[in-house]
Amino acid sequence: GIQVEQSPPDLILQEGANSTLRCNFSDSVNNLQWFHQNPWGQLINLFYIPSGTKQNGRLSATTVATERYSLLYISSSQTTDSGVYFCAAGRGDNYGQNFVFGPGTRLSVLP
Amino acid sequence: SQTIHQWPATLVQPVGSPLSLECTVEGTSNPNLYWYRQAAGRGLQLLFYSVGIGQISSEVPQNLSASRPQDRQFILSSKKLLLSDSGFYLCAWSLPSGTGIFSGNTIYFGEGSWLTVV
Repeated sequence: GIQVEQSPPDLILQEGANSTLRCNFSDSVNNLQWFHQNPWGQLINLFYIPSGTKQNGRLSATTVATERYSLLYISSSQTTDSGVYFCAAGRGDNYGQNFVFGPGTRLSVLP
Repeated sequence: SQTIHQWPATLVQPVGSPLSLECTVEGTSNPNLYWYRQAAGRGLQLLFYSVGIGQISSEVPQNLSASRPQDRQFILSSKKLLLSDSGFYLCAWSLPSGTGIFSGNTIYFGEGSWLTVV
């Protein structure tokens, strides 16, 4: 099945800094999503981005499907950005079993 | 708009006791439904998914089971909990590919349930 890797595993930033999180996946996919899990455990969908580039405020994401990677950019980081960022990839169909989560990147933004 | 709720939010259960976690989705019909588990400090593991009433597929053999008695209701159960069942359980939903305004299997999560087996 699909394997998803994320780097770095941990990241500590000073407030205001920029960062790039990477997601590599082992097979062709047509479903790629980024999630943020806040310190209370809630998982929030950030981007659905099987290809191309999207931006939402200080966050943006780029997926290069042919090279099997996706990047999440966080600019001007804030303490509220802290948490774990997950990438999940799969071959979208009516079933979810091919939708695999990476191990996550734990981000800590210091004031 | 679509919403998903799961309960209880936290649960402390003794080893060998039963478990029932419930999840409901509102504002959509015939969703795909999922149960994930997240062990402490680790990623998400898919436990069960369902594409319709009474249709359950298991990804990981274990002492947990799932049921879908109604279109928008998904229940995670166990007859006898083990210590290793402790973790954070998340219910999620998506629509089949190409349905409505959603593309592919955009997946949305509930608030999660913290289970501690003691």
